[in-house]
Amino acid sequence: DTGVSQDPRHKITKRGQNVTFRCDPISEHNRLYWYRQTLGQGPEFLTYFQNEAQLEKSRLLSDRFSAERPKGSFSTLEIQRTEQGDSAMYLCASSLGQQETQYFGPGTRLLVL
Amino acid sequence: GQQLNQSPQSMFIQEGEDVSMNCTSSSIFNTWLWYKQDPGEGPVLLIALYKAGELTSNGRLTAQFGITRKDSFLNISASIPSDVGIYFCAGPPTFYNQGGKLIFGQGTELSVKP
Repeated sequence: DTGVSQDPRHKITKRGQNVTFRCDPISEHNRLYWYRQTLGQGPEFLTYFQNEAQLEKSRLLSDRFSAERPKGSFSTLEIQRTEQGDSAMYLCASSLGQQETQYFGPGTRLLVL
Repeated sequence: GQQLNQSPQSMFIQEGEDVSMNCTSSSIFNTWLWYKQDPGEGPVLLIALYKAGELTSNGRLTAQFGITRKDSFLNISASIPSDVGIYFCAGPPTFYNQGGKLIFGQGTELSVKP
């Protein structure tokens, strides 16, 4: 059973550096979502794709953030010029068709020093 | 925007006890989802509810979709140490395209004493 996978699981970077995270959804799922979670809070929506089209971006997604899903399979989330406030868990989820149930990956924990 | 409020924020119980937690909103939801998150991991889907009044079980877990559509409840019977974690309710915002984002509550942290 191949669920949602994310890479890396942990990332430590210095302020000002760029980082890129990868998400591989469940293979037949056409929708892919990115969320951010800070300590003591629930996940907050960032953006989502249906196949390769990015259909919505949250206002949380500043200009320094960009997400892609070029072939409608895996997705990448890049953060440019990282700031300490970017430290969080970045979660990826996927779903099939119009189904509202989303299945999450293990997350990438980012620490910006 | 719509918000979900969970209570209690945390619970400390003895192994074997039953647990109840709830999730409320000031506006209606058409779907309620319950997830569990272990430290350092992503949320795992426990139960999905799609209809007002619906009662659904998954092993020792039972969840209900409130009649008013503004709340949902999760019960865990005969708790065991592996029930420890943070439980989140979530749902898609009403009047929103299906399959889009989920809104999450702030979570209920469960601790179980053996």
